[in-house]
Amino acid sequence: EDQVTQSPEALRLQEGESSSLNCSYTVSGLRGLFWYRQDPGKGPEFLFTLYSAGEEKEKERLKATLTKKESFLHITAPKPEDSATYLCAVQAMDSNYQLIWGAGTKLIIKP
Amino acid sequence: NAGVTQTPKFQVLKTGQSMTLQCAQDMNHEYMSWYRQDPGMGLRLIHYSVGAGITDQGEVPNGYNVSRSTTEDFPLRLLSAAPSQTSVYFCASSYGSGPRSGNTIYFGEGSWLTVV
Repeated sequence: EDQVTQSPEALRLQEGESSSLNCSYTVSGLRGLFWYRQDPGKGPEFLFTLYSAGEEKEKERLKATLTKKESFLHITAPKPEDSATYLCAVQAMDSNYQLIWGAGTKLIIKP
Repeated sequence: NAGVTQTPKFQVLKTGQSMTLQCAQDMNHEYMSWYRQDPGMGLRLIHYSVGAGITDQGEVPNGYNVSRSTTEDFPLRLLSAAPSQTSVYFCASSYGSGPRSGNTIYFGEGSWLTVV
């Protein structure tokens, strides 16, 4: 069964304290892996798409990496405005339109 | 720069009532979809459309209807509301065939629905 698991469920960091969020996935074949950011009371906002193992993408303090079994969202020297829930989703090769979503990691950055 | 617009933002319904959540996009996207988001769970696909006149069921379609008469609009109808339909609903759109091609999905701001 195709599955996406995100860990931890919640993460509290001090401002400037770097860390990583994990997205583990099980799919028959990966078409793409997506990272989104969701602020309270808002819809998810696209961050990155990764297509193949070894691929990396960066945006400001965020860097996403991909292996054959998992993806990491590294956050370097975070600021309070990076506080949000980060969602991961995968698109399987044999799935036409369905994305499989993780439950998200709630990130809190304390000043 | 409207993007994906959903109305209403908040709604309280009584069990058995019907209502329509409206969704419009101004990006000329062919793919549109509706998701629901519940605490502790990932987003779940309700229905989707790959163009005007074409709709299909997602993972959790029961109790919901959709139609796509124009490229811009994709309303979601709750036929007879049940407490299990209390959730946050998101409309989304994407270029072309959307996730089938690995294209980015853009979300609206959500509609909070409570069924009592």
